[in-house]
Amino acid sequence: DAGITQSPRHKVTETGTPVTLRCHQTENHRYMYWYRQDPGHGLRLIHYSYGVKDTDKGEVSDGYSVSRSKTEDFLLTLESATSSQTSVYFCAINPGRGPSAANEQFFGPGTRLTVL
Amino acid sequence: KNEVEQSPQNLTAQEGEFITINCSYSVGISALHWLQQHPGGGIVSLFMLSSGKKKHGRLIATINIQEKHSSLHITASHPRDSAVYICAVRSNYQLIWGAGTKLIIKP
Repeated sequence: DAGITQSPRHKVTETGTPVTLRCHQTENHRYMYWYRQDPGHGLRLIHYSYGVKDTDKGEVSDGYSVSRSKTEDFLLTLESATSSQTSVYFCAINPGRGPSAANEQFFGPGTRLTVL
Repeated sequence: KNEVEQSPQNLTAQEGEFITINCSYSVGISALHWLQQHPGGGIVSLFMLSSGKKKHGRLIATINIQEKHSSLHITASHPRDSAVYICAVRSNYQLIWGAGTKLIIKP
């Protein structure tokens, strides 16, 4: 257990509304990630962070923004949710000391988001 | 073409059967991961390997770097092994994910 929690665990919202998902970790790890998981696709990286205020885009970053003002929290925001953003969102951490470290990633329990 | 391909996409077997799930990749890698996702949604890392073979209980993972291929084997399968098994490769500081293999073990 890498001490990762996500909130909320489930959310239903309407198109056009803002949504913020929170990932919280208790182990002070530097690297944190947001993924989305959709049927027929592997996990797809949205954004990642390599430290406080240090973030970068993943392969499917359009329509999403992130913030990391504290080591323990990594927030994912949908400024104006669309139905195509209905998905399961996973947060993950990498306990390694560098991006090239072949370490295992540890995952949060996921957030199921439905945009109507 | 996806850089990481898993086969089969779906697999249904009887309890006790020997299970093999395959992962082929087309990029240079520094490591390959096998993960398990249970019906409840949680994702758990099973193995990380860069050569040879690893064993944990009834699970065995092998990798052939020359052939760019890895297999995950489950011996004496049990209904609690029912899950989605995901292969991911680490290449150029990124993790590239397979789409997963859904395994159902019937009692």
